[in-house]
Amino acid sequence: EAGVAQSPRYKIIEKRQSVAFWCNPISGHATLYWYQQILGQGPKLLIQFQNNGVVDDSQLPKDRFSAERLKGVDSTLKIQPAKLEDSAVYLCASSTPDPGTGELFFGEGSRLTVL
Amino acid sequence: DQQVKQNSPSLSVQEGRISILNCDYTNSMFDYFLWYKKYPAEGPTFLISISSIKDKNEDGRFTVFLNKSAKHLSLHIVPSQPGDSAVYFCAASEGNYGQNFVFGPGTRLSVLP
Repeated sequence: EAGVAQSPRYKIIEKRQSVAFWCNPISGHATLYWYQQILGQGPKLLIQFQNNGVVDDSQLPKDRFSAERLKGVDSTLKIQPAKLEDSAVYLCASSTPDPGTGELFFGEGSRLTVL
Repeated sequence: DQQVKQNSPSLSVQEGRISILNCDYTNSMFDYFLWYKKYPAEGPTFLISISSIKDKNEDGRFTVFLNKSAKHLSLHIVPSQPGDSAVYFCAASEGNYGQNFVFGPGTRLSVLP
């Protein structure tokens, strides 16, 4: 079974520029999450999708961050314009619709550096 | 306001000994807890979980203990191996299906040969 795929792995931009990250979850996983992990901190949820609907985006800075999940599969997270404090690893995760361990399957992450 | 705390940023143990990683939470509505392990440049991977209806769950060398009254859980690794060296995150949620998991800041475990 293929894991959660993310790209790009690394991105360096200057402040006020824009960036987009892509995520392809595990096939059949209805729930998709975007987390932000700042160095030295735990992952913080930005947005959660159930199929192509938003379940929770309460911690998404909507003035600069946007995310979409077209057709309930792939997802894109965009930042425009970027700030220095957006430097972090952006982790995508997905989970099965079946109750079980409740495990989230994470991708390798996209590391963003804003200069 | 940190709802999930891991007060030890780092921990070093000798190979073969026990590693004990601690986690405290403040939200009494949390009823499901997971531990994740993260190696550098990789995403977190699931290790073990526990529901609030239990006080212990064991999987091989890994055991998680939950003390609901103290809002405290711990992960025991016995015996510790050098390959266990990683950052360990505690995560909590209300329910185990499609719920928002809140992560702690992590503890970096170093197992010395």
